[in-house]
Amino acid sequence: DTAVSQTPKYLVTQMGNDKSIKCEQNLGHDTMYWYKQDSKKFLKIMFSYNNKELIINETVPNRFSPKSPDKAHLNLHINSLELGDSAVYFCASNQGLADTDTQYFGPGTRLTVL
Amino acid sequence: AQSVTQLGSHVSVSEGALVLLRCNYSSSVPPYLFWYVQYPNQGLQLLLKYTTGATLVKGINGFEAEFKKSETSFHLTKPSAHMSDAAEYFCAVSDQRTGGFKTIFGAGTRLFVKA
Repeated sequence: DTAVSQTPKYLVTQMGNDKSIKCEQNLGHDTMYWYKQDSKKFLKIMFSYNNKELIINETVPNRFSPKSPDKAHLNLHINSLELGDSAVYFCASNQGLADTDTQYFGPGTRLTVL
Repeated sequence: AQSVTQLGSHVSVSEGALVLLRCNYSSSVPPYLFWYVQYPNQGLQLLLKYTTGATLVKGINGFEAEFKKSETSFHLTKPSAHMSDAAEYFCAVSDQRTGGFKTIFGAGTRLFVKA
C-alpha cells in the first residue's frame, strides 16, 4: 500500500497555465508538507498543514495556493505558471508537531513549464 | 537560524570501501538531526535520526552516524559500500517553532559506487 501518493507523476505545461498537484496519505498523520526540489537537488519547504490548518508558508509566491480538504489530503494549485516553477514537487507527512517525527515522502511530481 | 552544510556534492567510492558523507550543522538550540536517502526518481526516505540519548545512531542498510556536539557534525558512515547504495543523501536539521515543524535540508551529496 502506498503511504504517500501524488498525482500526476509528470506534468508538462505551457507558461501562463494553471495546474494542480494532488497528494494523499493513508498513514493517519496530522501534518502534511509541500517541498520544491530544484534542478540542483536543493530541497526547500513551501508549506506545512496541521489538521487542515496552514502552519508554515515559506515566502512562496501567492500564485501557489495549497488546499487541504481533510487531514489526509493536501493539494497544490499553481496559477500563471512560470519557467522558474519547473522542479520536482514532493509531498510529505508526519504524525504531529514534534521535531523527532520522521517525514514520509511521496514519489514526487516532476513539473516542466515550457 | 538553523542551517546544514554537506561537504562535497559528489562522493565516489569503490564497492566494499568505507562510505563517509560529511554533514555540519548550526543551531542555537539542541538539534534533531536526520539523514535521508533519495534513489533516482523517488521520494526521500529516512536512513536514521538523532534526537536525544546515545550519540551513535544506527540506521537502515548498515548506515550509522555520530552526533558530535563539539564539532557540530553528524557524519554518515557505512563500513562497506554496496552498488545499491548509489543515491543522493540529504542531511537535515529540524527547527521547532511554536505550533509548527520545519526541517532544513542540506544541499545533498550524490554517492557513486564503482564496481
